[in-house]
Amino acid sequence: DVQLVESGGALVQPGGSLRLACAASGFNFSDYGLNWVRQAPGKGLEWLSYISSSSSSIYYTDSAKGRFTISRDNAKNSLYLQMNSLRDDDTALYFCARLQHYYDSDSYYGEALDVWGQGTMIIVSS
Amino acid sequence: EVVLTQSPGALSLSPGQRATLSCRASERINSGYVAWFRQRPGQAPRLLMYGASRRATGVSDRFSGSGSGTDFTLTISRLEPEDAAVFYCQQYNYSPFTFGPGTKVHIK
Repeated sequence: DVQLVESGGALVQPGGSLRLACAASGFNFSDYGLNWVRQAPGKGLEWLSYISSSSSSIYYTDSAKGRFTISRDNAKNSLYLQMNSLRDDDTALYFCARLQHYYDSDSYYGEALDVWGQGTMIIVSS
Repeated sequence: EVVLTQSPGALSLSPGQRATLSCRASERINSGYVAWFRQRPGQAPRLLMYGASRRATGVSDRFSGSGSGTDFTLTISRLEPEDAAVFYCQQYNYSPFTFGPGTKVHIK
């Protein structure tokens, strides 16, 4: 089965750091770009960051720039999110998600996040 | 940043009825980069539609998508109790790859 499993969530004090991991299985990890998405309690989805299959392209949302670092280890089939200077409003469930490209021999149909993990919870509180 | 606005914020319908969910972008988006997700309580989001109008693998044909430019629509025909969820649109055209705020569907 194609699967993503996040880990590393914890209770952390404001200003602290945490490293999330996302372990992939069931597909050729090095062929896919990956994302981190979070969801604060009772709120909607917020896209955080993207890393391409070779790590050559990386994007962040403004709230993550300068504090969060996305990385991956294709040999270990793992995605990471290093989070520094954590704030109360970083409290959320953090998901990793795979970016799928849809195309055939004639056309390119688009791309979307087709596989999601179940998430890992971060609580930032003193 | 592309801002996605979803309407209505919530709707309450009976089984068998049709639901029409709207997603409006603050600027034009290539429809190939518009997706819809369903998130049931306590679950991760699930991809329903990609390329604005193409159903993801295993998605019921009760779901259909349309739209172009700045206006996109997800239609759920013949609502079922299991459709009670929050539905999100997302654009993957311009970073940051924003989500809409969601439409909550309640089944009476």
